[in-house]
Amino acid sequence: NAGVMQNPRHLVRRRGQEARLRCSPMKGHSHVYWYRQLPEEGLKFMVYLQKENIIDESGMPKERFSAEFPKEGPSILRIQQVVRGDSAAYFCASSLDSNYGYTFGSGTRLTVV
Amino acid sequence: DQQVKQNSPSLSVQEGRISILNCDYTNSMFDYFLWYKKYPAEGPTFLISISSIKDKNEDGRFTVFLNKSAKHLSLHIVPSQPGDSAVYFCAAKAGYNTDKLIFGTGTRLQVFP
Repeated sequence: NAGVMQNPRHLVRRRGQEARLRCSPMKGHSHVYWYRQLPEEGLKFMVYLQKENIIDESGMPKERFSAEFPKEGPSILRIQQVVRGDSAAYFCASSLDSNYGYTFGSGTRLTVV
Repeated sequence: DQQVKQNSPSLSVQEGRISILNCDYTNSMFDYFLWYKKYPAEGPTFLISISSIKDKNEDGRFTVFLNKSAKHLSLHIVPSQPGDSAVYFCAAKAGYNTDKLIFGTGTRLQVFP
């Protein structure tokens, strides 16, 4: 998983707070994907971004969740007013383009208390 | 709607023997399949893939078989080693330019001495 950096590795938030998860793709990669893994489940696609554009957000919950990948800086997954059901591992992946395989980061484990 | 299914949540195999992990899918539009390996507290790591135009792909100790008529694929690891102990995810995508992967729920493989 070298190259795709996610921080923080662990994040604890109280219900109602905001969670901000960061992802720095591998050098040269302009495509970023966010996946969520709930306990005992597989990874579920959330959103696909390129620099400054959201390409596919079909897996994003309609409310409270947003993502961005600015021209400069990391991609951010933002969860507003977190609830206990948001507790999960959130994985970011990057690729050169959509025709290449992903490289995943080590994930951010969000715990909502 | 679980389009990619891994019906065995766990598998235990003796070192040196063959490990066979199975995966079934329901969407006939899937045309590219991947296997990922995941250790605890790490992101998934790409292992091997296969296009729907093939029925077998081999890489060292790892071989993936695809049976399109049965909508079934399997990953064979031979000989199995203790370091292979991990969770294995099957994933599928529909179309060469498609961005998102659909993951199964994973099979936990334990290789014992």
